[in-house]
Amino acid sequence: GAVVSQHPSRVICKSGTSVKIECRSLDFQATTMFWYRQFPKQSLMLMATSNEGSKATYEQGVEKDKFLINHASLTLSTLTVTSAHPEDSSFYICSATRNDRAGYEQYFGPGTRLTVT
Amino acid sequence: QKEVEQDPGPLSVPEGAIVSLNCTYSNSAFQYFMWYRQYSRKGPELLMYTYSSGNKEDGRFTAQVDKSSKYISLFIRDSQPSDSATYLCAMKGNTPLVFGKGTRLSVIA
Repeated sequence: GAVVSQHPSRVICKSGTSVKIECRSLDFQATTMFWYRQFPKQSLMLMATSNEGSKATYEQGVEKDKFLINHASLTLSTLTVTSAHPEDSSFYICSATRNDRAGYEQYFGPGTRLTVT
Repeated sequence: QKEVEQDPGPLSVPEGAIVSLNCTYSNSAFQYFMWYRQYSRKGPELLMYTYSSGNKEDGRFTAQVDKSSKYISLFIRDSQPSDSATYLCAMKGNTPLVFGKGTRLSVIA
């Protein structure tokens, strides 16, 4: 299988601070990584798509300056929530597609639960 | 109309039952169809994927795609309590995956 990890799994931060979430593909090189957020009992909402070495492509309505995405290598992407507010509290999930497979196979990380107080 | 429609349930069945989960969609450009299983507070796990129309079987799971009706299904045979989870359909063409809302399934022992 293809394993994607996320760190941290859970984070609590104060309003106004920034939080960084890491997403790693452990046993494969990722062509593309995706960041989603999921509210309780809701589906996954795509926030942005990133390719290694390129700027991320953000979905409509997602603030680029608030959700900073860096895809520094073929195995690591980071999402930084800047100046977090309580409404940013959510479950953030990353996924990755493999270089050696068709792009429709996306492998998801375990998610990061962010709580902003 | 949303691109992907999925009944959120919840769906509760006795152990051993056959479960049928479904999604409809509106975008005829979708070609790849996936089913993900998501346990509470975990990331989704890819269960099945199908390209275009047809059936695909993997153990107790069968995925069906009917592109003419824009309708996809996932069948679970001999359901087990460990199958209790939320099942999300997802599909794509040349665009990123679009997910259904997910159906919450409970299999009662």
